[in-house]
Amino acid sequence: NAGVTQTPKFQVLKTGQSMTLQCAQDMNHNSMYWYRQDPGMGLRLIYYSASEGTTDKGEVPNGYNVSRLNKREFSLRLESAAPSQTSVYFCASRGGTPSRAFGPGTRLLVL
Amino acid sequence: GENVEQHPSTLSVQEGDSAVIKCTYSDSASNYFPWYKQELGKRPQLIIDIRSNVGEKKDQRIAVTLNKTAKHFSLHITETQPEDSAVYFCAAGGSNGAGNKLTFGGGTRVLVKP
Repeated sequence: NAGVTQTPKFQVLKTGQSMTLQCAQDMNHNSMYWYRQDPGMGLRLIYYSASEGTTDKGEVPNGYNVSRLNKREFSLRLESAAPSQTSVYFCASRGGTPSRAFGPGTRLLVL
Repeated sequence: GENVEQHPSTLSVQEGDSAVIKCTYSDSASNYFPWYKQELGKRPQLIIDIRSNVGEKKDQRIAVTLNKTAKHFSLHITETQPEDSAVYFCAAGGSNGAGNKLTFGGGTRVLVKP
């Protein structure tokens, strides 16, 4: 099992550009999450999907959109990137236990 | 919503000594408290978790204690080794229900000096 995978690993954007971060899991988990990690602020929840076909806002959803494409895939879209969105983005999934399995992360730099 | 405070933000210990990290939470409905370890440039990895019906849990050199009345929980690492150097995150949330959101603390950077 590959677990949780994310693409790309690293991305540089200019202010105003758009991009989609991809996430996939092969553990048959129902719930999937997107977090951002900034220095000293831990992991903050952007959006989550409790099950296929549903999505909900987390703590910091402004400037982002998500799509739960199917049970395996959960994408995060930045429509118009801003320097404040420079961060490390982690996708995670959850199955029968409450713990999270995290992906390797995407480092995003917005200039 | 839930608010989790984590202290200290940095912790330096000599190899072989113990390390203790403390977290407080605000929502009395929270019943699940995991701890994650994140090495530099890597993803967070679950190292131990505890549910609210248990006061203490141990796994080799690591242990977690929970005080529901005071709404705080702690991570204890004994006989620290250089490979314990990492950032540690606590979290609090529900263990049931759709999504079961977790709120994370700000992290503690632990440095174990040989």
